[in-house]
Amino acid sequence: AQTVTQSQPEMSVQEAETVTLSCTYDTSESDYYLFWYKQPPSRQMILVIRQEAYKQQNATENRFSVNFQKAAKSFSLKISDSQLGDAAMYFCAYRSANQGGSEKLVFGKGTKLTVNP
Amino acid sequence: EPEVTQTPSHQVTQMGQEVILRCVPISNHLYFYWYRQILGQKVEFLVSFYNNEISEKSEIFDDQFSVERPDGSNFTLKIRSTKLEDSAMYFCASSGQVSPLHFGNGTRLTVT
Repeated sequence: AQTVTQSQPEMSVQEAETVTLSCTYDTSESDYYLFWYKQPPSRQMILVIRQEAYKQQNATENRFSVNFQKAAKSFSLKISDSQLGDAAMYFCAYRSANQGGSEKLVFGKGTKLTVNP
Repeated sequence: EPEVTQTPSHQVTQMGQEVILRCVPISNHLYFYWYRQILGQKVEFLVSFYNNEISEKSEIFDDQFSVERPDGSNFTLKIRSTKLEDSAMYFCASSGQVSPLHFGNGTRLTVT
C-alpha cells in the first residue's frame, strides 16, 4: 500500500518570504499523480498543484511550485512571496494512475503553515 | 465555476442514531467519493462510487456505512448507528474522467 509522509507538523514563514514544505511517499508503482491541497480554517480542501509522475518538468502555479524528485520519492512544495492568506494546513496526496478515472487519494498528515506579518 | 455542495454544514446527533449526510456533486462528474477527517488528523478515504455502485471502499467503511445516489443528482452517506468515534469532518468529492477531485466544504458531524 502507498504511504505519504509529511515530516513537518508545523512551519512558519515571514510574509513575502519563501517557504518549502516537505513530502515523501512510498510506492512500487511507476505511474502516479501527486497533489498538494490547502485547507484553510474554513476546512475546505482546495487543490493547489498537481504533478504527473511521468512528467519530468516540475509543476508551477503562480507562486506555488514543486520540486519533484522521482528517484528519491520526494515532492516538496515551494511557496514564494508568502501572503497572509497562505496560512493553512497543507496536505500532500498520492493517487495511483491505475485507477481508471477514479481519484482515490492517499493523504499525508499535513503541515500547518503560519505566515507572520 | 461549478461546486460540490454539502448539507448540512454541521450535524449534531446522539450516539446510536442514524444520520444522513447529503452532497450534490458537480453535474457532469462520474465518480463520487466520501472522505473523513477526524479533528487534527489526516484526511482518509472512505468510499468511491461509480456507475451506481461502490467501486472501492476502505476498511473504515464497515456495515454501519452506506452510500446511495437516489435521484441522479444527490449522493448520500448514511451512518446507521453512530458512535462517538464517528465524530469528524466528512467531505464529499467528485471527479470526471480526466478532471481532478473537487471537494465540497464538508459536514462537521458531532456525535454526543
